[in-house]
Amino acid sequence: DAGVIQSPRHEVTEMGQEVTLRCKPISGHDYLFWYRQTMMRGLELLIYFNNNVPIDDSGMPEDRFSAKMPNASFSTLKIQPSEPRDSAVYFCASSLVVNYGYTFGSGTRLTVV
Amino acid sequence: ELKVEQNPLFLSMQEGKNYTIYCNYSTTSDRLYWYRQDPGKSLESLFVLLSNGAVKQEGRLMASLDTKARLSTLHITAAVHDLSATYFCAVDPRDDKIIFGKGTRLHILP
Repeated sequence: DAGVIQSPRHEVTEMGQEVTLRCKPISGHDYLFWYRQTMMRGLELLIYFNNNVPIDDSGMPEDRFSAKMPNASFSTLKIQPSEPRDSAVYFCASSLVVNYGYTFGSGTRLTVV
Repeated sequence: ELKVEQNPLFLSMQEGKNYTIYCNYSTTSDRLYWYRQDPGKSLESLFVLLSNGAVKQEGRLMASLDTKARLSTLHITAAVHDLSATYFCAVDPRDDKIIFGKGTRLHILP
């Protein structure tokens, strides 16, 4: 298995631009999680899906952030418009069940200038 | 609300020494995970502890779980430089997403 695949690995964008991060979970995993990691705030859960349905989006910082999972093999996290304070590493993770054995992707390092 | 606290948050130690990282959590749970993160890398699963008294060992690392004390420890024996990383514990509340601690940044000096 190729593991959880995220793209792009690095993204540099200008403030105000739209940014889309992508994730392909491990095949057969019913749960998908989006995390954000910064030095100041550590690892924060943004949103998670079960069987493509958003279950808990309480960690999404504001309306500029949105996430979708149109099918079992693909999810996106979109930021529109982006701001410098959104600069962080964004991780996607997947698991068979909600509370066991998360497998993380390699992350997307986002820099908003 | 489940809270997970790790300590210390930063640790600098000499090679060859032993040390322990602690993970305390606030509500009942009998499942806990330890992850390792190297700088600029993703999180890698180290240990899965599934019951009270569980002990897992891999090389110089040993993890244990005491559910009555709501405490897990990650013990490092005769540290080597390659173990320098950030270590996260994550607690499973059984019916919801797991909660991560803030991580312990470990730096091992040659």
